[in-house]
Amino acid sequence: AQSVTQLGSHVSVSEGALVLLRCNYSSSVPPYLFWYVQYPNQGLQLLLKYTSAATLVKGINGFEAEFKKSETSFHLTKPSAHMSDAAEYFCAVSGPIGNAGNMLTFGGGTRLMVKP
Amino acid sequence: DTGVSQDPRHKITKRGQNVTFRCDPISEHNRLYWYRQTLGQGPEFLTYFQNEAQLEKSRLLSDRFSAERPKGSFSTLEIQRTEQGDSAMYLCASSSNRVPRGYTFGSGTRLTVV
Repeated sequence: AQSVTQLGSHVSVSEGALVLLRCNYSSSVPPYLFWYVQYPNQGLQLLLKYTSAATLVKGINGFEAEFKKSETSFHLTKPSAHMSDAAEYFCAVSGPIGNAGNMLTFGGGTRLMVKP
Repeated sequence: DTGVSQDPRHKITKRGQNVTFRCDPISEHNRLYWYRQTLGQGPEFLTYFQNEAQLEKSRLLSDRFSAERPKGSFSTLEIQRTEQGDSAMYLCASSSNRVPRGYTFGSGTRLTVV
């Protein structure tokens, strides 16, 4: 079974400060990992994904994440927060090709607040 | 690529009524998923279609829930005899058989049962 833990349901940063959202996963097979962002009353938008290529993954809007197998982590970072980054962020894990359905298992989410 | 479309965006219904939601996936995607998201939680998997075949169903999908994907195109999710606990955002997503690129999610249907 796969699972995702996001440490910190709420994170508050000042505009221009570093953003760090934590994600730890559990998977019995090499995982595919994703970060999604959700704005109020909207669906989920893919920020970035890890699919066993480079361990440092760059995504949209200046976000990046590093896959660390030894720590079973896939933390999301952005060097300088912008007010428009305020949203809910979800980390998700999926099985590799061949896993029927390629189902995503999501963490509980982290709400990012950006202070002016 | 017009994205994944869901209809309606919002639905308010009285307890005990039946509701039906529609999802139109990206046309070349043969996989379609339904997820449910309650307030303050991450999405939870409900069911999965490959083309017209429903291949997986979560234990969350009680007998009151039924999903179809006729002809492998759009999908419908019906909830019969709605309960207040069914209030949630219902998200549809689609993907292709290729290396997972992450799903493309629709904007969701927010259901409120009063």
